[in-house]
Amino acid sequence: GNSVTQMEGPVTLSEEAFLTINCTYTATGYPSLFWYVQYPGEGLQLLLKATKADDKGSNKGFEATYRKETTSFHLEKGSVQVSDSAVYFCALSDWGAGNNRKLIWGLGTSLAVNP
Amino acid sequence: NAGVTQTPKFQVLKTGQSMTLQCAQDMNHEYMSWYRQDPGMGLRLIHYSVGAGITDQGEVPNGYNVSRSTTEDFPLRLLSAAPSQTSVYFCASSSRTGGTGELFFGEGSRLTVL
Repeated sequence: GNSVTQMEGPVTLSEEAFLTINCTYTATGYPSLFWYVQYPGEGLQLLLKATKADDKGSNKGFEATYRKETTSFHLEKGSVQVSDSAVYFCALSDWGAGNNRKLIWGLGTSLAVNP
Repeated sequence: NAGVTQTPKFQVLKTGQSMTLQCAQDMNHEYMSWYRQDPGMGLRLIHYSVGAGITDQGEVPNGYNVSRSTTEDFPLRLLSAAPSQTSVYFCASSSRTGGTGELFFGEGSRLTVL
């Protein structure tokens, strides 16, 4: 079945460092791919998405490219800030039986950015 | 913009008690779902609904009931709470059509079962 694997955390960086959080997936067909972010004490919110191969999603300085050849969707940011401290979830959309929408989730990667 | 609203935000129960977590959305979304979030386990789907009158089980449905009498509301009922149900619960909704699967989440309900 479809699955998502993302790198384990926690990841600790200094402010202005470069961030990469790896995400790879297994899927049949052509899923959409997502990164969600969860700030402390809050619900998840969509950070960025890509709906087809070679698409690049971007938001708030974060980027991720849908790589079908390597089945990856790595999250990157050139210069992190303390306010980026959060848990990041990679996910893919899966159309299950009966045309029901489900998201397949990675386990989340915690990021802590120190001043 | 209200989006997805969950109540209560915090709840403490004793083993065996029952309760209902409320979820309401004002985006006219057909799809609604409940997740639980536990350390090291990520998000796990409890129940979901693709429209009023239609519900189905997710990965971890045991001990929970749902109903969907209106498009807006999707309550989650714990029939007889157990300590294993201590968790943070999230309600999420999306448009069923469109194909991209973006979910909109509530702020979560933290439940402790003693």
